Amino acid sequence: GESVGLHLPTLSVQEGDNSIINCAYSNSASDYFIWYKQESGKGPQFIIDIRSNMDKRQGQRVTVLLNKTVKHLSLQIAATQPGDSAVYFCAEITSGSARQLTFGSGTQLTVLP
Amino acid sequence: EPEVTQTPSHQVTQMGQEVILRCVPISNHLYFYWYRQILGQKVEFLVSFYNNEISEKSEIFDDQFSVERPDGSNFTLKIRSTKLEDSAMYFCASSGGRGGTQEYFGPGTRLTVL
Repeated sequence: GESVGLHLPTLSVQEGDNSIINCAYSNSASDYFIWYKQESGKGPQFIIDIRSNMDKRQGQRVTVLLNKTVKHLSLQIAATQPGDSAVYFCAEITSGSARQLTFGSGTQLTVLP
Repeated sequence: EPEVTQTPSHQVTQMGQEVILRCVPISNHLYFYWYRQILGQKVEFLVSFYNNEISEKSEIFDDQFSVERPDGSNFTLKIRSTKLEDSAMYFCASSGGRGGTQEYFGPGTRLTVL
């Protein structure tokens, strides 16, 4: 039968505004989380990571928040720029695995001029 | 900055043919991975490789797939008899250590099976 691709959630923001991208993860045993950015035709690019013993981590213009109670992860991008337009994936790693990344379905971020 | 490279960037093949996708991981990395991404879908884990053997593999990685590190620099993914549903982007990745160290992804090889 015909396969249907996933319809990505989309987020459009004005240039200069802040963006918040959300992700729900599935495995309560996951202890390491990563946000990746994927531009069209390219491989995933690491943005920021966080361990399960933390609830917040900041990088350059990005902040990741982790809420283990509801198994929710968010990525905040400050002062969003046109170059931030991409698909953003969260990924989780479960303790004991040989670093097998499990990716979420992604969010398409579009920055409007 | 060191990077993972992959060749070819695009591979077109006939159904039933064998293909070999090539990757050169970052030189001092120890862990190597293959992922695939069907158009419009999420990235899926295929296999991880460490110390010249498979560490972990997903259910996608069946007997038609194999990996090899033939020398000190290359890491290959072979699909023995391609099927239409193998059409996807295949990403190689490498990392320096286990659990908690950053994985670096290559640009991918687009495989089209006709």
